[in-house]
Amino acid sequence: DVKVTQSSRYLVKRTGEKVFLECVQDMDHENMFWYRQDPGLGLRLIYFSYDVKMKEKGDIPEGYSVSREKKERFSLILESASTNQTSMYLCASNTWTGKNQPQHFGDGTRLSIL
Amino acid sequence: AQTVTQSQPEMSVQEAETVTLSCTYDTSESDYYLFWYKQPPSRQMILVIRQEAYKQQNATENRFSVNFQKAAKSFSLKISDSQLGDAAMYFCAVGSQGNLIFGKGTKLSVKP
Repeated sequence: DVKVTQSSRYLVKRTGEKVFLECVQDMDHENMFWYRQDPGLGLRLIYFSYDVKMKEKGDIPEGYSVSREKKERFSLILESASTNQTSMYLCASNTWTGKNQPQHFGDGTRLSIL
Repeated sequence: AQTVTQSQPEMSVQEAETVTLSCTYDTSESDYYLFWYKQPPSRQMILVIRQEAYKQQNATENRFSVNFQKAAKSFSLKISDSQLGDAAMYFCAVGSQGNLIFGKGTKLSVKP
């Protein structure tokens, strides 16, 4: 089974802090994604990556950056955390084989910015 | 651009009954795929069922089936013999080239 592991289930940080959310997958997937999930808004794509050191902006990249130094790891960075970034963050991965393979999700990180 | 609309924010079903969750989408892609995901309370998002748009036959996975109407851009999920464990948020998604666009979700409650 595919395993997508997010480093923290719950995280509390202060306004202005630099925050790192880590995600690791064990299936050698090329694609990795970071979503933000808010009630009534569904999942919104922040950033995604097709390969090591490659990244693409999603629908809501403002205030975030990402890093993918190794194929299995995709980090989401909040450069200067703000209260409006309090949310559930989901990491996902999949492979592209010419057919759209389903994305596999981690458990999520519930981030609170005080 | 792709959009996904789930018009029912909340649904309720009696245990052992059948319920249908609605989803409509819009896409300019010719080759795309459709998914239903389930997210139980405080638990991981998991894939329920997948439909390839070029296939006319509706996908089925045990008690879960879809009604895919390509011309109408509709992709509804039918859950038969509902169980308490089916209570969750359900998300419809459309994807191509590896990416997915999600709807806002439908919260399904199952009454014993």
